[in-house]
Amino acid sequence: DSGVTQTPKHLITATGQRVTLRCSPRSGDLSVYWYQQSLDQGLQFLIQYYNGEERAKGNILERFSAQQFPDLHSELNLSSLELGDSALYFCASSVGQGREAFFGQGTRLTVV
Amino acid sequence: DAKTTQPPSMDCAEGRAANLPCNHSTISGNEYVYWYRQIHSQGPQYIIHGLKNNETNEMASLIITEDRKSSTLILPHATLRDTAVYYCIVRVLNFGNEKLTFGTGTRLTIIP
Repeated sequence: DSGVTQTPKHLITATGQRVTLRCSPRSGDLSVYWYQQSLDQGLQFLIQYYNGEERAKGNILERFSAQQFPDLHSELNLSSLELGDSALYFCASSVGQGREAFFGQGTRLTVV
Repeated sequence: DAKTTQPPSMDCAEGRAANLPCNHSTISGNEYVYWYRQIHSQGPQYIIHGLKNNETNEMASLIITEDRKSSTLILPHATLRDTAVYYCIVRVLNFGNEKLTFGTGTRLTIIP
């Protein structure tokens, strides 16, 4: 158990819908990262927050957004969903400053 | 971040040492070598990292060549639970640039 909690574990939704994925980082970790893993793309970095502020952005679509709250949990919002958004979404946390990241078990999103 | 090259797949007999190579010939002086693994769609798991000295922890050993252009991850007594995709990642350890860039990794299969 990495200490990073992601909910829900599975999510099935229709095209055009909006969903919110939630991540609770390890106690004391200030950095939260979001990654997407689809069958043909591998693990792709989406975005990083550090203590509530956006720190780095990867190939995150404009339809996707994220935030980190004062209690350090984070949410990834995916809107206008398309079939191609079906993937595993992982959250990771670390104490920051480039230290090793610990990943949650992921949310499997299926768009039908 | 420097690019890495890993063999796409390897087999290892249970109980033997698994040696996973990684080539990072363009590594720069301030880049660290990190290893993560992913067991069957679970969240990636941090294994070990190093700069230039060999490192050992409870999971594995990391051997980095003197010129730092390649490294080897060693699992000393492989078990079936070590079957996973292993990722070698090279990156600068600095605040604000903490994303992990995953390649395609090495799929390690432990043979009973």
